[in-house]
Amino acid sequence: QSVLTQPPSVSGAPGQRVTISCTGSSSNIGAGYDVHWYQQVPGTAPKLLIYENNNRPSGVPDRFSGSKSGTSASLAITGLQAEDEADYYCQSYDSSLGGFWVFGGGTKLTVL
Amino acid sequence: QVTLKESGPALVKPTQTLTLTCTFSGFSLNINGMRVSWIRQPPGKALEWLARIDWDDDKFYNRSLKTRLTISKDTSKNRVMLTMTDLDPVDTATYYCARTQGGNFYYDVWGKGTTVTVSS
Repeated sequence: QSVLTQPPSVSGAPGQRVTISCTGSSSNIGAGYDVHWYQQVPGTAPKLLIYENNNRPSGVPDRFSGSKSGTSASLAITGLQAEDEADYYCQSYDSSLGGFWVFGGGTKLTVL
Repeated sequence: QVTLKESGPALVKPTQTLTLTCTFSGFSLNINGMRVSWIRQPPGKALEWLARIDWDDDKFYNRSLKTRLTISKDTSKNRVMLTMTDLDPVDTATYYCARTQGGNFYYDVWGKGTTVTVSS
């Protein structure tokens, strides 16, 4: 059971917009800690996609955006492309007992 | 260019001790704010943060695994090591090392990972 909750899967047709939610609690996202997102193509290492809620590293297309509100965060992908098919993980910091740095359970994005 | 590369045994027997090495380049763990973490991913499952070591030798551990983990560094060789004792088949996973820097809590560069299977 991950500290941050993500939907197991989402899907969308090419060109569409999809969102992936990441729900936390008052000890992590709700406490004001930043949320970061990673993209993991099967068989490869995770890659930083969004940092500090809504910032894109150099080279990440502006089709990817992040937001945060209350105890949740979201990743939005517009203009869906076949190459976006991957697993997506949110990550934050948790101040309660348990691990310091926590990941969501991951969401599998399928491009139909 | 910043790179990290994990290495270690591919197969370990239950109850044995695992030692993994992360060899990095393109940055120095002597620099204020540099940190390296270990993160693992069991097959088909989510990422799990394990441990972190900082430039000033501060160390942090996943509390549920703390008694089994030891993280250390050799800055002269640009290496970070992770030792995990009393291995169990549930420890079968791909183990990654990743960098964070400054006041950031995100992993900006990851290694490709090394897969460890725990089986008799």
